[in-house]
Amino acid sequence: DIQMTQSPSVLSASVGDRVTLNCKASQNINKYLNWYQQKLGEAPKLLIYNTNNLQTGIPSRFSGSGSGTDYTLTISSLQPEDVATYFCFQHNSWPTFGSGTKLEIK
Amino acid sequence: EVKLVESGGGLLKPGGSLKLSCVASGFTFSNYWMHWVRQAPGKGLEWIGEIEYDGTETNYAPSIKDRFTISRDNAKNTLYLQMSSVRSEDTATYFCTTYTAWGQGVMVTVSS
Repeated sequence: DIQMTQSPSVLSASVGDRVTLNCKASQNINKYLNWYQQKLGEAPKLLIYNTNNLQTGIPSRFSGSGSGTDYTLTISSLQPEDVATYFCFQHNSWPTFGSGTKLEIK
Repeated sequence: EVKLVESGGGLLKPGGSLKLSCVASGFTFSNYWMHWVRQAPGKGLEWIGEIEYDGTETNYAPSIKDRFTISRDNAKNTLYLQMSSVRSEDTATYFCTTYTAWGQGVMVTVSS
């Protein structure tokens, strides 16, 4: 199984900050990496698919990058409504999720 | 509007069985692989299985293999998860998803 390691597990930042969330795979996942946002009590929402493709309707402040085993989700200017847990997800082989990064506002 | 609506959750005892349903609308259901993902209370997401467009291929996570069965009825735009021999660790919210669209989830609690 491919293990997905997200860091940090908790991130506290101020409104307007540029925020970077990391996801590392235990082996090459060929850019088959999605990012999901999950707010408390809600279903996950797809933000980015296949590393760097912004899902329809998602604000352009969200972007993704990476290759091989290392991937990043960037929020260019943090907004209050971005408070959530963010999960990376690989679907290169047997699908696996990362353990999540909880994003808080300072 | 794309919509997935799960139902069938509830409380059951260890060793029991339950069948979840997920009704799809707003897209051509038969064109999509469908997946089940679960989330234990306060925990992360766990992919548990998938089914091909016409139901001929299914894949399962080791944690539920041989206990759970995924099926679909394309005429009814419905996905199913048959849960058997359940354990306390199967307590979770179960989501059906295309990876893009997600249902609201349905809670399953396994407790004696």
